[in-house]
Amino acid sequence: GAGVSQSPSNKVTEKGKDVELRCDPISGHTALYWYRQSLGQGLEFLIYFQGNSAPDKSGLPSDRFSAERTGGSVSTLTIQRTQQEDSAVYLCASSIQGLDYGYTFGSGTRLTVV
Amino acid sequence: DQQVKQNSPSLSVQEGRISILNCDYTNSMFDYFLWYKKYPAEGPTFLISISSIKDKNEDGRFTVFLNKSAKHLSLHIVPSQPGDSAVYFCAASPSGNTPLVFGKGTRLSVIA
Repeated sequence: GAGVSQSPSNKVTEKGKDVELRCDPISGHTALYWYRQSLGQGLEFLIYFQGNSAPDKSGLPSDRFSAERTGGSVSTLTIQRTQQEDSAVYLCASSIQGLDYGYTFGSGTRLTVV
Repeated sequence: DQQVKQNSPSLSVQEGRISILNCDYTNSMFDYFLWYKKYPAEGPTFLISISSIKDKNEDGRFTVFLNKSAKHLSLHIVPSQPGDSAVYFCAASPSGNTPLVFGKGTRLSVIA
């Protein structure tokens, strides 16, 4: 597709439930990133996939968070046993090698845990 | 510990005047700096970047200045237009293979 696609755009879930957020990166982009933006905060790095290398999971806030990237393309971010503090906008981005053109972000998934 | 700091949460500027958004960083290993613009309900969009070998990069109405000794960069928008009203994020990375570190953003309002 022309851009990075994320689904769903909005998700309301009950505390304790699991959620899955999906990201379709731009075709040919080898790098994929997940960030989140909580209310009043900047973009917080979560996880980074680059080609076939092991992902950089250093930003995941707890073991309730996991992500996978299948076939070097689509990625799914899973949050288990959601808590209210998980409420945020979850943003996915993809890029080609290097930073000359930055990352291309999707529109995000707004997650609300009630 | 915030490595990228945008100390002004908001800025208001009159249309046609210059907007100056500031960003400070603490990590001396940062080698590449970017500015992103974000409208409500949309993802951030890349605006302009600068590598540490330069002190200025210009693209149309947008210019980014880098002062490595002060660990400071700024984004100048001139002339400012109402459509520039958005949240601007500063971001930095030590290399192209390391995830960007973002600041908290500055909300710019350009008043007609």
